[in-house]
Amino acid sequence: GENVEQHPSTLSVQEGDSAVIKCTYSDSASNYFPWYKQELGKRPQLIIDIRSNVGEKKDQRIAVTLNKTAKHFSLHITETQPEDSAVYFCAAPISSGSARQLTFGSGTQLTVLP
Amino acid sequence: GAGVSQSPSNKVTEKGKDVELRCDPISGHTALYWYRQSLGQGLEFLIYFQGNSAPDKSGLPSDRFSAERTGGSVSTLTIQRTQQEDSAVYLCASSPRDRARFSYEQYFGPGTRLTVT
Repeated sequence: GENVEQHPSTLSVQEGDSAVIKCTYSDSASNYFPWYKQELGKRPQLIIDIRSNVGEKKDQRIAVTLNKTAKHFSLHITETQPEDSAVYFCAAPISSGSARQLTFGSGTQLTVLP
Repeated sequence: GAGVSQSPSNKVTEKGKDVELRCDPISGHTALYWYRQSLGQGLEFLIYFQGNSAPDKSGLPSDRFSAERTGGSVSTLTIQRTQQEDSAVYLCASSPRDRARFSYEQYFGPGTRLTVT
């Protein structure tokens, strides 16, 4: 069925290095791609999103790129800091019956090593 | 403004008891979602309400789980005859879904941590 796949499931980087998390989706009609950050014991929070009419969006150290042809999008974090350590979830609206709803990837545990 | 709120924040119950979890979405949000998150796991979709449409219950794991949304606002997730495997954090999210803008941003509540002993 329609779904969202996320890789890697865990990622460790040295402080100051970059981190990249990738997601693929199957529904070609998907048009909105958010990324959520969930710190330990806290709720998921939206950190950045992109719509299908653009290929890249940046917000300070965070960027998201979208390749609609290949149906994948990626989160890029530059100059990583210890506070970036968290679980990151991608999502995409996927058809479910007559509706479309946001479907989440399985998450990536990012650890930034000091 | 006020975000999504959930109550209780923690619930400990004995196996076989029924529990009710409450979600207050952001005012004006037409879409409401329930998810389950087991320790160290991802977000498992349970049920979705959109306006006055029939809810999408495709994620409910068994007939012990049910949910209602009264007046298009507050929602209650009920788990009957709880089992130990029901132990998890139950997250609610609301969305200002706008058909014209195809907006799907979801805003999460703090969750209810359910422990079944």
